[in-house]
Amino acid sequence: NAGVTQTPKFQVLKTGQSMTLQCAQDMNHNSMYWYRQDPGMGLRLIYYSASEGTTDKGEVPNGYNVSRLNKREFSLRLESAAPSQTSVYFCASSGYRGVETQYFGPGTRLLVL
Amino acid sequence: SQQGEEDPQALSIQEGENATMNCSYKTSINNLQWYRQNSGRGLVHLILIRSNEREKHSGRLRVTLDTSKKSSSLLITASRAADTASYFCATLLNYGGSQGNLIFGKGTKLSVKP
Repeated sequence: NAGVTQTPKFQVLKTGQSMTLQCAQDMNHNSMYWYRQDPGMGLRLIYYSASEGTTDKGEVPNGYNVSRLNKREFSLRLESAAPSQTSVYFCASSGYRGVETQYFGPGTRLLVL
Repeated sequence: SQQGEEDPQALSIQEGENATMNCSYKTSINNLQWYRQNSGRGLVHLILIRSNEREKHSGRLRVTLDTSKKSSSLLITASRAADTASYFCATLLNYGGSQGNLIFGKGTKLSVKP
């Protein structure tokens, strides 16, 4: 039982490049989330998927897209990376959106030059 | 504006002492959760307290919630060096039964010296 896994662990991109961050959970959770964490800041929600087949914008969605591939997997795509997207990205999942605790992956550190 | 704000931003104590962190929020909540984050790691859930609860315990952790003051506190008793981490409160707004998203504060950085 691995919980929430994320790949890659670390990535360096040049401005304008694209990439996809992968997330998978094996807890049969309905809801999944993508957050970013910047120094001295709490977590800010980028996108979430309340259930398989649905995705919605969070607090800071600009510059990102997501895909809920199936119940297990939720990916985050940066189409044209910008230095402002340098951050640590966390994926999380929960049984149901909001009312339950969230389980977090180990994070992906992204540096955009 | 920040829904949940932790206080203090940083706290340094000796092993064996108690650590108290506070969280204040602005609007009515469904529940409030505390998470821990070790350096370079993901967040780990510690405890969830619902709006109709006033106090919860889990091992050395004690969480209180005062909805009239819109505040919560996390007490770690008999702290250990392994408790060194950042601690975040997260609130779920009360949408009258609708499900919402957690809003995280900026965290309290706790350092426990051996």
